Formats: sequence, C-alpha cells, structure tokens
Amino acid sequence: GQSLEQPSEVTAVEGAIVQINCTYQTSGFYGLSWYQQHDGGAPTFLSYNALDGLEETGRFSSFLSRSDSYGYLLLQELQMKDSASYFCAVRESGRDDKIIFGKGTRLHILP
Amino acid sequence: NAGVTQTPKFRILKIGQSMTLQCTQDMNHNYMYWYRQDPGMGLKLIYYSVGAGITDKGEVPNGYNVSRSTTEDFPLRLELAAPSQTSVYFCASRSTTGAGNTIYFGEGSWLTVV
Repeated sequence: GQSLEQPSEVTAVEGAIVQINCTYQTSGFYGLSWYQQHDGGAPTFLSYNALDGLEETGRFSSFLSRSDSYGYLLLQELQMKDSASYFCAVRESGRDDKIIFGKGTRLHILP
Repeated sequence: NAGVTQTPKFRILKIGQSMTLQCTQDMNHNYMYWYRQDPGMGLKLIYYSVGAGITDKGEVPNGYNVSRSTTEDFPLRLELAAPSQTSVYFCASRSTTGAGNTIYFGEGSWLTVV
C-alpha cells in the first residue's frame, strides 16, 4: 500500500529555522512535493524534488533521499505568516500518475 | 487568471439528497482530481481523470461519481448524501508538460450534510 508519514504538529519561534520531515512508502515514485495551506484556504504548491538533494526557493528549501524514502521541508527566517499546514505529496509512477498527500503538519509560530 | 473554478462554495444538504459539485479549469490541463479534506486532516483522493473520457477511482470513491466529457470540466456527483460526506471538497488540475509537477487547486467547496 501507499503511506506518507509526517509529524502532526511542529512549533517554532519567529525568526528561527524549522524542518518538517516526511517518509513515504509507495508502489512507484516520480517525486515528492510540498504544499502550504492556510486555514480556510486551498493548498498551494511550494516545491518539488525528483532527484536526491536540496532544492532552494527563497526562504524555503526541500530535500529528498530516494534511497531512504525520505524528504523534508526547511523553512528559514520564520515569519508569523508561515503559520499554516504543510503537506508532503508523492507523485506515483505508473499509468495513472496519481498524487497522494500526507496528513499534513500544522506549524505553530511563537512571537 | 481563472485557473480552477469550483461551485458552489458552500452548500447544506439533507441526508439522502443528491447534488453535483462543478469544476472547470481554463489551463488546458489533462489531469484533474477531486480531493476531500476533513477537519484537521489531509487530502484524500476521491476520483481522478487523465483526460477527457477517462476517469478512475482514488482512495475514497464510495458514494461519489464523476464524468469527464471535456478537458475543461470535471463534475463530482454525490448520490444519497450521508453525514460522513460532510467535508471540504477540492478540485485540482495538473499539466502533463512543462511544470507538470504542480497541482493547481480550486478554492474549495464546503459541504454539510444534516
């Protein structure tokens, strides 16, 4: 079967750095994505990793290790507006190329 | 920039009623998806489509039906609504070329079954 595991909640201080981990188990794998969702809003795309290594986009970075079926999202210089839920999602390989989401990590930021 | 448009945004249904959630996208994306999200939970895939005329079940298809007669439209039908279908529903689409790893979501449809 397919499963994605990520912590349900993480708390960090404004200005700090936080890492949100994701481990996955799927029948096929193209890549790992990260999405951000604010309360009452729709998920929005943050990053995608198909190959091992680190991808950096401004204050956000995402890492993938295919051999470990593991990735993480790194948020630097945290701002209060980063308080949201963060979802990892796996793009499965195969005929239908489905995208399956984890349960999400709620990020709380303290002033 | 319309992107993915869902209607209605809010709806209250009585148990046993039926309704259709409409979804349309103007990005010429082949792939379209319906997800549901229960409070404080992740997104569960209900149905998806890889192109006009092709649909397939996701993780939680029971109680729902879809059709894909055109590239733009992907309506979700709820038959005999049940309280367990109270949720937020998101339609989404994805390209198969270029930035094909990005899913674009609609704003969501809040459905309550009473």
